[in-house]
Amino acid sequence: ELKVEQNPLFLSMQEGKNYTIYCNYSTTSDRLYWYRQDPGKSLESLFVLLSNGAVKQEGRLMASLDTKARLSTLHITAAVHDLSATYFCAVDPAGSRLTFGEGTQLTVNP
Amino acid sequence: EPEVTQTPSHQVTQMGQEVILRCVPISNHLYFYWYRQILGQKVEFLVSFYNNEISEKSEIFDDQFSVERPDGSNFTLKIRSTKLEDSAMYFCASRRSPRGGSSYNEQFFGPGTRLTVL
Repeated sequence: ELKVEQNPLFLSMQEGKNYTIYCNYSTTSDRLYWYRQDPGKSLESLFVLLSNGAVKQEGRLMASLDTKARLSTLHITAAVHDLSATYFCAVDPAGSRLTFGEGTQLTVNP
Repeated sequence: EPEVTQTPSHQVTQMGQEVILRCVPISNHLYFYWYRQILGQKVEFLVSFYNNEISEKSEIFDDQFSVERPDGSNFTLKIRSTKLEDSAMYFCASRRSPRGGSSYNEQFFGPGTRLTVL
């Protein structure tokens, strides 16, 4: 059974600081996705990573994928309050269902 | 920009009643999905649908659940006899294709239907 683990599950950080969220998964996959969810809202796609070594950046967020290590990272640079949300990674080894991690609840404090 | 839509946004029902949740996927997408999220928990896969049939389902998707694409646009999830534990947010998602680049692979999620079973 595919397991997807994120850490940390809760992250409280100050504005202007940097931090990394980690996503480990248990089965070979070269497809990994990052989503953002605001409270009571839907899932907003952030990044689609489709190969080993893929790196994508959007604003203060950068995601990378190491398929050999079965690890993806979401790096936050100079956090701002607007980034407060829950971040999910999801893996899709067979090109079918998404298997999600537990989510990382990020709070950025002024 | 095209988007997945879902109705209703909130459904309250009594235990044992049937509910139908509706979704309109993005028009040129071929793969359709239902997921659910119990409050405060992670998102769980229920079922995928392609070429007018179920392509995969999870252990959650038992005989009480069914999906249908009754016409060229709607995609529905029916729960025949709701239980208290069915209370959750239900998300519909669609994808153009699992092959190809990012724009094809990405699963786009609808806004969700909050189902409350009393």
